[in-house]
Amino acid sequence: DIQMTQSPSSLSASVGDRVTITCRASQSISGHLNWYQQKPGKAPNLLIYMTSNLQSGVPSRFSGSGSGTDFTLTISSLQREDFATYYCQHMYGRTFGQGTKLETK
Amino acid sequence: QVQLVQSGAEMKKPGASVKVSCKASGYTFTHYGVSWVRQAPGQGLEWMGWISPNTGDTDFAQHLKGRVTMTTDPSANTAYMELRSLRPDDTAVYYCARDVSIDLGAFDIWGQGTMITVSS
Repeated sequence: DIQMTQSPSSLSASVGDRVTITCRASQSISGHLNWYQQKPGKAPNLLIYMTSNLQSGVPSRFSGSGSGTDFTLTISSLQREDFATYYCQHMYGRTFGQGTKLETK
Repeated sequence: QVQLVQSGAEMKKPGASVKVSCKASGYTFTHYGVSWVRQAPGQGLEWMGWISPNTGDTDFAQHLKGRVTMTTDPSANTAYMELRSLRPDDTAVYYCARDVSIDLGAFDIWGQGTMITVSS
């Protein structure tokens, strides 16, 4: 099975910061990667699919890139509502990374 | 609107079984798959398996094969997940999610979650 590893596991940032979260697959997954956001007590929300495609309704400050084994989620200018936990997901195996908790500095 | 509504929280004893329902509305149920994902307290997301309401085809996470069953009732727009031989480490919030593709999963609509507690 392909393993998904995110880094960092947690991240402290301030409103307005540019934030990058990384996801690495244990073998090449082409561009088959999604990103989700989850807030406490809520179901996850799909942000980006197929590496770089923004889900409808997701603000344009979110972007995704990468290919093969290395992928990134970038938030260009952090807003208060973006403090949450982020998960990457391998689309074919549907497995998730362990999550990155984005906290206020 | 498009939504998935799950059944309520349950408490079970070790060794028992639990069946969670997930009722879809606002879209054609048989045009999308349904995946189930669970999240233990304070932990990350764990994909459990997938079912096609159109064909009944399923795919399960390897470590759950033999303990989990997924079914659907297209006439009721409802999916079900049954987990047997429950253990305390099965305590988690269980989510159903609309899965937009057979081959490449992306979960664009989620249920509200169902808390399953396993304790003696």
